[in-house]
Amino acid sequence: DGGITQSPKYLFRKEGQNVTLSCEQNLNHDAMYWYRQDPGQGLRLIYYSQIVNDFQKGDIAEGYSVSREKKESFPLTVTSAQKNPTAFYLCASSISPGNTGELFFGEGSRLTVL
Amino acid sequence: AQSVTQPDIHITVSEGASLELRCNYSYGATPYLFWYVQSPGQGLQLLLKYFSGDTLVQGIKGFEAEFKRSQSSFNLRKPSVHWSDAAEYFCAVGNTGGFKTIFGAGTRLFVKA
Repeated sequence: DGGITQSPKYLFRKEGQNVTLSCEQNLNHDAMYWYRQDPGQGLRLIYYSQIVNDFQKGDIAEGYSVSREKKESFPLTVTSAQKNPTAFYLCASSISPGNTGELFFGEGSRLTVL
Repeated sequence: AQSVTQPDIHITVSEGASLELRCNYSYGATPYLFWYVQSPGQGLQLLLKYFSGDTLVQGIKGFEAEFKRSQSSFNLRKPSVHWSDAAEYFCAVGNTGGFKTIFGAGTRLFVKA
């Protein structure tokens, strides 16, 4: 079945460590996204990518980095510069550029900083 | 600025009762509107969407929503709620000008027996 796979589902990190969250899709979608979800705040866009080797900052990109070396993959690195990284992270994709907003989501990764 | 407001943080309904979740948006052009549902610890699933045409749209799981341009609203409805509908519901607005879908803060639905 086609879909988006995020790993790991749960991740614990010590302060000062970088961590990378994986996102893989087999939907053949061009665009991919990373969202952060905090209770009561909905979803906030971290980064998005329309095509391979290209990505743009979203609303809360500080302390995060991404790469898009393959169409299927869009990993997110949470760096030590991110002040409050504990959150639920969602990866999504959409069919084509000219986003109509319809997104397909993975099941998320919950990051906890100890 | 574009925005989406879901006035109700949480709602409790009895199983079998009707449901309406409110959504208001602020947008400069005709929006693309969506409702997504999220079960605890899971990703979001699209319930329904409105792009154009008939303002009453049908979605999965028996949900429907009505686009009212004059009220800038896109409320979600279901005639009879099932216990499995307990989840968080997000209204969202998209556009063709960029890659930013704006999400509301969500409404958590509780269903009581």
